[in-house]
Amino acid sequence: AQSVTQPDIHITVSEGASLELRCNYSYGATPYLFWYVQSPGQGLQLLLKYFSGDTLVQGIKGFEAEFKRSQSSFNLRKPSVHWSDAAEYFCAVGTTGTASKLTFGTGTRLQVTL
Amino acid sequence: NAGVTQTPKFQVLKTGQSMTLQCAQDMNHEYMSWYRQDPGMGLRLIHYSVGAGITDQGEVPNGYNVSRSTTEDFPLRLLSAAPSQTSVYFCASRRTSGRTGELFFGEGSRLTVL
Repeated sequence: AQSVTQPDIHITVSEGASLELRCNYSYGATPYLFWYVQSPGQGLQLLLKYFSGDTLVQGIKGFEAEFKRSQSSFNLRKPSVHWSDAAEYFCAVGTTGTASKLTFGTGTRLQVTL
Repeated sequence: NAGVTQTPKFQVLKTGQSMTLQCAQDMNHEYMSWYRQDPGMGLRLIHYSVGAGITDQGEVPNGYNVSRSTTEDFPLRLLSAAPSQTSVYFCASRRTSGRTGELFFGEGSRLTVL
């Protein structure tokens, strides 16, 4: 069974600073990997996804993530954080196939100070 | 451009009461699922369906019932609510053909069981 670990429960960064959110996964084959963002009181919005190919994936809102098979990681990065990026971020791993299920990490809450 | 629609957005129940959370999608997605979100635990899969007439259990199915009579609708039933079912519930859907995996989420239904 697949699993996801997000080791940082809460991160605070200053506006304009760079950001890296960590995600480690466990899965026996090549996984599908996702980052979602959740603003307070809202549903989850997809930031980016990795299926195969280029290991550096670009997403919306200036986010990117790098798949590192050797480290079983899929860390999310942004060069310069904006106050509107304050939210909760979830990493998820999925498998192939019709009945594929997404398994989510416990989330990292990002606070941005001005 | 509705996407995934959940009703109600908020509900308060007494222990032992029953209710149904409604979920509808207009994207013709074969796959639909229900997650619950609890603090510090991320999102956990309750039930899912890969098409009309087909449902299966996820990680935390106890106390919940589902059915899928149409492609568009996937209601979640609580037959006898318990305080442990206080949570935020999310419905999500996706295609099952092509590169699968990306889930589209509703805005959530916050349930409190007293």
